[in-house]
Amino acid sequence: AQSVTQPDIHITVSEGASLELRCNYSYGATPYLFWYVQSPGQGLQLLLKYFSGDTLVQGIKGFEAEFKRSQSSFNLRKPSVHWSDAAEYFCAVLMLSGNTPLVFGKGTRLSVIA
Amino acid sequence: DAMVIQNPRYQVTQFGKPVTLSCSQTLNHNVMYWYQQKSSQAPKLLFHYYDKDFNNEADTPDNFQSRRPNTSFCFLDIRSPGLGDAAMYLCATSRERSSYEQYFGPGTRLTVT
Repeated sequence: AQSVTQPDIHITVSEGASLELRCNYSYGATPYLFWYVQSPGQGLQLLLKYFSGDTLVQGIKGFEAEFKRSQSSFNLRKPSVHWSDAAEYFCAVLMLSGNTPLVFGKGTRLSVIA
Repeated sequence: DAMVIQNPRYQVTQFGKPVTLSCSQTLNHNVMYWYQQKSSQAPKLLFHYYDKDFNNEADTPDNFQSRRPNTSFCFLDIRSPGLGDAAMYLCATSRERSSYEQYFGPGTRLTVT
């Protein structure tokens, strides 16, 4: 069955430290890949997406993600975290064809400490 | 400037009293989605409209209905809300069903008393 795994439920980092959020997917072929961020009480905002081409994609707010086909991973990174980055982060995948819905991981909650 | 608008942002209803949540979009997208998101969980797709074609997810309870009177608007109707229906309801749009990113509204927080 198709699935998206975010192995870290909660991560705490210090402000200014680097960040990596993990995402693995289980599909027969390479899907389209997304990272969304959700601040408390808000909707989801798209950070970045991967469809094809360069496997390192740049997003908004200084985030980037790298697609690794061999590892079925699409990890999100940021070199220096700001306190305003504290939020819930969702990885999501979409199949290349058909009418299958967007499948979300369970999310990783990021806390930022001084 | 807002692309996907949800009203109201907060809704309180009584157990068993019908409630309607509203979503509108300025993107002229073909597809509109409704998700339910409970606390500390991922969004769960309830159904979507591709133009006027309604697509229900297999495990969406009959208590949830939807209407899309035109391209811009889509409504979520909960016929008899139970305590378990308290959640954030997210509306999203996309240009087409596959291969395109979804744009989310800010959500409506539903409380059932």
